[in-house]
Amino acid sequence: EVQLLESGGGLVQPGESLRLSCAASGFTFTNYAMSWVRQAPGLGLEWVSAISGSGGTTNYADSVKGRFTIGRDNSKNTLSLQMNSLRAEDTAVYYCAKHPSANWGFDYWGQGTLVTVSS
Amino acid sequence: QSALTQPASVSGSPGQSITISCTGTSSDVGGYNLVSWYQQHPDKAPKLMIYEGTKRPSGVSNRFSGSKSGNTASLTISGLQADDEANYYCCSYAGSSTWVFGGGTKLTVL
Repeated sequence: EVQLLESGGGLVQPGESLRLSCAASGFTFTNYAMSWVRQAPGLGLEWVSAISGSGGTTNYADSVKGRFTIGRDNSKNTLSLQMNSLRAEDTAVYYCAKHPSANWGFDYWGQGTLVTVSS
Repeated sequence: QSALTQPASVSGSPGQSITISCTGTSSDVGGYNLVSWYQQHPDKAPKLMIYEGTKRPSGVSNRFSGSKSGNTASLTISGLQADDEANYYCCSYAGSSTWVFGGGTKLTVL
């Protein structure tokens, strides 16, 4: 059974940093690309960042480019998101999501971790 | 990276059918057969309902179906049931390992 478990969310002030983690199990982690998708309170889903199975290719939404860094440790089956220079508009539930072999989207999701950026 | 366009809300009575549209551009919906649809109940994670435009994952009811014409994808739910009441999001591959979601549609079962 595929399981994705996010952690690391919390309350931070504007300009501060936070690191999210996602522990994956139930599949061969290194074989699949992974993404972070976020959802601001009461709003829709927004793709944030993706990383290839090897970790060699990363991509970001324009809204986080230059501030967020996605990473993975295939030896520990862990996905990460380093978030710097956080803004109020980064407040959201952050989901870890697994990609299938093809590029059509996300076949499994974690339960999410809430990040609140507020002074 | 503009969001795909979905109606904010749709409604239907039990047993009826509804269709949710998802309009993008030739750079996303129209350029690839890589649209997926997600159901999200309040305070829950999204659940995959349709992938590659028309395919259903194992375990998803055949009351859910997808289609696409040009830059617009659609999700149809037939035989509406109370538990179908949720938010629905479309998503399309947008090239260069990026994805774009629709703004979401709230389905109300009357």
